[in-house]
Amino acid sequence: QKEVEQNSGPLSVPEGAIASLNCTYSDRGSQSFFWYRQYSGKSPELIMFIYSNGDKEDGRFTAQLNKASQYVSLLIRDSQPSDSATYLCAVKVPGGSQGNLIFGKGTKLSVKP
Amino acid sequence: EAGVTQFPSHSVIEKGQTVTLRCDPISGHDNLYWYRRVMGKEIKFLLHFVKESKQDESGMPNNRFLAERTGGTYSTLKVQPAELEDSGVYFCASSRGQGDYGYTFGSGTRLTVV
Repeated sequence: QKEVEQNSGPLSVPEGAIASLNCTYSDRGSQSFFWYRQYSGKSPELIMFIYSNGDKEDGRFTAQLNKASQYVSLLIRDSQPSDSATYLCAVKVPGGSQGNLIFGKGTKLSVKP
Repeated sequence: EAGVTQFPSHSVIEKGQTVTLRCDPISGHDNLYWYRRVMGKEIKFLLHFVKESKQDESGMPNNRFLAERTGGTYSTLKVQPAELEDSGVYFCASSRGQGDYGYTFGSGTRLTVV
């Protein structure tokens, strides 16, 4: 059974701090990894995707991938109250179509003013 | 551009009834995906259309679920007959072409089977 595991949280950080969200996956053959943000009652929206080991930065967001450890993380610098949401980690199923993603249950982030 | 539209936003039906969910993707998006989230569980992939063809339907739970995308535009997902465990939020998403991972999700249909 392919799995994606995330700490459900809630993760609470003060405004301006770095929020660190973590995700592990079970299928060593996985190649593509995604982070989605979902506000309460809303649909998921893609923040970043990463394919290669190392870091990928986009504005205040940095995704980190370590395939040897089967670990992917998302760092949010200078956290804002508007970043408060549930963050979903998703992994593309090897051999599946481009939409065939396995999602984690999500980590709820709360940024306190 | 208009986003992904799903209809209805909420549906409450009795066990054994039939329900049809509709998804209108963003115009020009060949790829259309269905996902669902059962209460307390993670979002799960159901299937992927490329235009009118089913590219991957490995996530469809059983033969009570039927998805169609006639003409390669909007898609419907029919559940017949509905069971209690089918309750959840059904999301549709679309993207433009091969390798386009910038899926845009619709706001979802919340299905409650009583």
